[in-house]
Amino acid sequence: NAGVTQTPKFRILKIGQSMTLQCAQDMNHNYMYWYRQDPGMGLKLIYYSVGAGITDKGEVPNGYNVSRSTTEDFPLRLELAAPSQTSVYFCASSYEGHLREGYTFGSGTRLTVV
Amino acid sequence: AQKVTQAQTEISVVEKEDVTLDCVYETRDTTYYLFWYKQPPSGELVFLIRRNSFDEQNEISGRYSWNFQKSTSSFNFTITASQVVDSAVYFCALSEPPRNAGNMLTFGGGTRLMVKP
Repeated sequence: NAGVTQTPKFRILKIGQSMTLQCAQDMNHNYMYWYRQDPGMGLKLIYYSVGAGITDKGEVPNGYNVSRSTTEDFPLRLELAAPSQTSVYFCASSYEGHLREGYTFGSGTRLTVV
Repeated sequence: AQKVTQAQTEISVVEKEDVTLDCVYETRDTTYYLFWYKQPPSGELVFLIRRNSFDEQNEISGRYSWNFQKSTSSFNFTITASQVVDSAVYFCALSEPPRNAGNMLTFGGGTRLMVKP
C-alpha cells in the first residue's frame, strides 16, 4: 500500500499566486487532516474531514480551502499566497474512531512563498 | 482547550547516554490518547507509541520507554543508551476522544535531540 501520498514535494510560489496541494490515501480511512509545520515549531491543524463531503476548520484555516469529493482525496487550496504561508504541509489520515497507530502521515510538501 | 508542552526545545547528549524527553499536557477530557512521534532529518513523521488515559502502565520497547503519570499530567519518553540514529525532533501529541470533530491531534512544539558520537 502507498499509504498517504502528497504532491508536490517542493514548491516555490510568488506572492498572490494560487496552488493546490494534493493528498491521496489508499487505506479507506474516513478521517483526513491537513497540518502545517512552521520552522522549529509543532504541527497546527488547518482543516480536517470526517468523510466524503464533510470538511471543517481547524486551528489555522485562514487563507486555505479544502474539498473532499471522494474518500481517497483531500486537496488543500491556497488562494493568494502570502509569505506567512511558507511552511511544510503534512496531510494525514486515520481510521474512524480509532488511533491505534496514530495518524498515517504523508511525506510533506515544503512550500516557500516569495 | 487542549495543550501540550515540551519545555525542552533542544537536548544534546553523547552516544550511550540515557536521555528523557518531557511532555506535559492539559485537557478537560477524562478519556484521551497520548502519542509520541519521531521526525528524523529526512522530515517524515514516524509513529512511536499511543497510550490511552485509562492505562497508566509504563511501556518499554527496546531502548525506548514511556512513563505516563496522570497525577502530574505527564507522558515522558526515555531513550536508554542513545545512538546517533536517535537524532531527530520528537513530538508529543494529545487527542480528544472520537467525536464528530474527528480524532484531532494537538502537538507540542517538539524537542530536538542531538546524539553525538
